[in-house]
Amino acid sequence: KAGVTQTPRYLIKTRGQQVTLSCSPISGHRSVSWYQQTPGQGLQFLFEYFSETQRNKGNFPGRFSGRQFSNSRSEMNVSTLELGDSALYLCASSLENRGHDEQYFGPGTRLTVT
Amino acid sequence: KQEVTQIPAALSVPEGENLVLNCSFTDSAIYNLQWFRQDPGKGLTSLLLIQSSQREQTSGRLNASLDKSSGRSTLYIAASQPGDSATYLCAVPNTDKLIFGTGTRLQVFP
Repeated sequence: KAGVTQTPRYLIKTRGQQVTLSCSPISGHRSVSWYQQTPGQGLQFLFEYFSETQRNKGNFPGRFSGRQFSNSRSEMNVSTLELGDSALYLCASSLENRGHDEQYFGPGTRLTVT
Repeated sequence: KQEVTQIPAALSVPEGENLVLNCSFTDSAIYNLQWFRQDPGKGLTSLLLIQSSQREQTSGRLNASLDKSSGRSTLYIAASQPGDSATYLCAVPNTDKLIFGTGTRLQVFP
């Protein structure tokens, strides 16, 4: 069974631009979560989607948004990029989540903002 | 508010040693605890998931234990190898999100 895939793997953007990251969960998984990882802050929760609905959102500004499609694939968007948005963005999938299920992570997208 | 702590922050050992990594959490009302491995610049690989009703979980040379009442979990790595070098993270769920520890960076040298 294929694992969680994320595209692109690497991105370089300029301040002020916007970016869209994509995550395809494991087949049959309906929950997708997004995390930001930086050396200073560690792993921080961005948001979680289940059946196309955002169920939970972390403490990030409105420039960070996401959505989930009917096939459970998810995208996250960051608008008006800032230098501090440089990070490894990870997505995780699970069957239904709600704290019960094992989470499986993708390889991440490395975003560099210059 | 759930807080997760891992000690030590870094560990460097010679090949062949048995290791214990520690994870502490402040709120014992958890459904499960998950251990992950992360290689530099890569994603997280799930190693073990221990449900709250379990005391131990084993996979190959890895053994994880969970003591909810004391808010502790340990990851035991037997006969360590250079290929075990990575950062190890524990995480507990909080509704729809995982709360991660800060990780233990392990280096196993030949």
